[in-house]
Amino acid sequence: NAGVMQNPRHLVRRRGQEARLRCSPMKGHSHVYWYRQLPEEGLKFMVYLQKENIIDESGMPKERFSAEFPKEGPSILRIQQVVRGDSAAYFCASSPSQGHTEAFFGQGTRLTVV
Amino acid sequence: GENVEQHPSTLSVQEGDSAVIKCTYSDSASNYFPWYKQELGKGPQLIIDIRSNVGEKKDQRIAVTLNKTAKHFSLHITETQPEDSAVYFCAASKAAAGNKLTFGGGTRVLVKP
Repeated sequence: NAGVMQNPRHLVRRRGQEARLRCSPMKGHSHVYWYRQLPEEGLKFMVYLQKENIIDESGMPKERFSAEFPKEGPSILRIQQVVRGDSAAYFCASSPSQGHTEAFFGQGTRLTVV
Repeated sequence: GENVEQHPSTLSVQEGDSAVIKCTYSDSASNYFPWYKQELGKGPQLIIDIRSNVGEKKDQRIAVTLNKTAKHFSLHITETQPEDSAVYFCAASKAAAGNKLTFGGGTRVLVKP
């Protein structure tokens, strides 16, 4: 059973470009969470999605950031017009259901904005 | 919202000694407390968790204790080994919040051979 798959592992973008981060949850998992980790800091919640629904986006910046989890395909975290402050590691986690509390993380995407 | 504090931020121990990391949380409704180990360049790995209806849980060399009244929980690693060197994060969540995790700031553990 493959774990949570994130790609790309590393992403370099110039200021003003768009970054698209992908996350495929573990098989059978329908709940996806995105977290951001700044250097030398803990992980901060961004958004919680189920298939085709955003459940909680209280941690998402109001502008430039969006997320989706379509019926088919991976979850996408999209950052438009990236700025240097967006440089961070972005982690996706999945769990099988809301009643199941264990969340398993992917290896992350390290975004560098130059 | 929930706030999780974690101490110490760094911990250096001699191989074979024990390591203890402590966390406090603010939301009395939180009912799930996982611990994650993160190695350099990798994602967090769940190592042990505890639910609020349990006071202590053990898995080989690691154990977690929970004091709901005081709102704190601790990770204990016994007989530490060099491969235990990593950053450890505690977290808290509650079902009412969709199980989103609030993390502590992390503890960098160094086990010296």
